[in-house]
Amino acid sequence: EIVLTQSPDFQSVTPKEKVTITCRASQSIGSSLHWYQQKPDQSPKLLIKYASQSFSGVPSRFSGSGSGTDFTLTINSLEAEDAATYYCHQTSSLPETFGQGTKVEIK
Amino acid sequence: QLQLQESGPGLVKPSETLSLTCTVSGGSISSSYYYWGWVRQPPGKGLECIGSFYYSGSTYYNPSLKSRVTISVDTSKNQFSLKLSSVTAADTAVYYCARRGYGGSHPFDYWGQGTLVTVSS
Repeated sequence: EIVLTQSPDFQSVTPKEKVTITCRASQSIGSSLHWYQQKPDQSPKLLIKYASQSFSGVPSRFSGSGSGTDFTLTINSLEAEDAATYYCHQTSSLPETFGQGTKVEIK
Repeated sequence: QLQLQESGPGLVKPSETLSLTCTVSGGSISSSYYYWGWVRQPPGKGLECIGSFYYSGSTYYNPSLKSRVTISVDTSKNQFSLKLSSVTAADTAVYYCARRGYGGSHPFDYWGQGTLVTVSS
């Protein structure tokens, strides 16, 4: 089973600041890595698919990069509505797995 | 617009079977373009894939749950269902149904709102 490790677990950020979340896979997964945003008491929402492809309707301040074992989700110019937990998800190898999540708080 | 809605008992006794249904509107579960699946999230914890299916009958179950899980489909009602047997407190979670693209390794692009199932006597 591929383990995804996100860092940091928690981040407190000022509005308009840049946020970087990393996801490291225990073995190479190519580009089969996706990112979701989950706000409290809501279901996850797809942000980025296949490491760097933005999902329809996602604000342009969200971007993804990486391949192989190291991936990054970047939020440029954080807005108050971006307070949420962010998860990475690999679909390269069964069973598919999720990272443990990174909680982003607005200062 | 595609919508998925989970339904079922919110409380299940230990050792019994958890049964949930996902009703899809705004799209057909018989579409050749999509898989459908279940994901769960224990309170305050992360996400776990339970399994996925294709309308023609192809299914995949997470090996950690495979012996206890059945996913079935009712195309006439545009619904699919989850059954998880011999539940314990560790199965307490919010259960989500979701859609993903057919083939390859697509992410879940649309999710239901989720339903909390508590396992307790």
